[in-house]
Amino acid sequence: EDQVTQSPEALRLQEGESSSLNCSYTVSGLRGLFWYRQDPGKGPEFLFTLYSAGEEKEKERLKATLTKKESFLHITAPKPEDSATYLCAVQDPGTYKYIFGTGTRLKVLA
Amino acid sequence: DAGVIQSPRHEVTEMGQEVTLRCKPISGHNSLFWYRQTMMRGLELLIYFNNNVPIDDSGMPEDRFSAKMPNASFSTLKIQPSEPRDSAVYFCASSSQQGAYEQYFGPGTRLTVT
Repeated sequence: EDQVTQSPEALRLQEGESSSLNCSYTVSGLRGLFWYRQDPGKGPEFLFTLYSAGEEKEKERLKATLTKKESFLHITAPKPEDSATYLCAVQDPGTYKYIFGTGTRLKVLA
Repeated sequence: DAGVIQSPRHEVTEMGQEVTLRCKPISGHNSLFWYRQTMMRGLELLIYFNNNVPIDDSGMPEDRFSAKMPNASFSTLKIQPSEPRDSAVYFCASSSQQGAYEQYFGPGTRLTVT
């Protein structure tokens, strides 16, 4: 069965303290891995799509990387406005359905 | 672009009542997804449509749930009769094509069934 596991569940950082979030997955034949940011009371906001091992994408203080079994979301010198829940999802190759992880709740303290 | 539009944003209803949630996808997108999010189970896919046709409804919890997409710009998710365990945030999302393409989510409808 396809699975997506995110760690840690929650993370508290001081402003400027860089860290990484992990998304590990088990799916045969990855079509795509997606990262989203979700603020309280809002819908998930699309950040990145990664398709193949070795691929990297960046946006401001965020960089997403992909290996054959996991993806990392690196946050460099975070600011309080980066506080949110970060979700990753993989697409089931047979059904096109997205399988979401339970997310990492990030809190960046000023 | 206005993004995905959902209504109502909040719905409070009594057990046994019918509830209808509405969604307008991004113009030009031809895949539409309905999700439910709870603290216990996270984000779960209920059903998705491609070109207005339901493709996979295996996530619909039971026969009390039904979804329609009468045209490319409108979809509904109906719960009849509603139960307290249906309380959750329901999201609609759309994407430009079926396949490994990013989905864009609406703001959600917070449903409370008392």
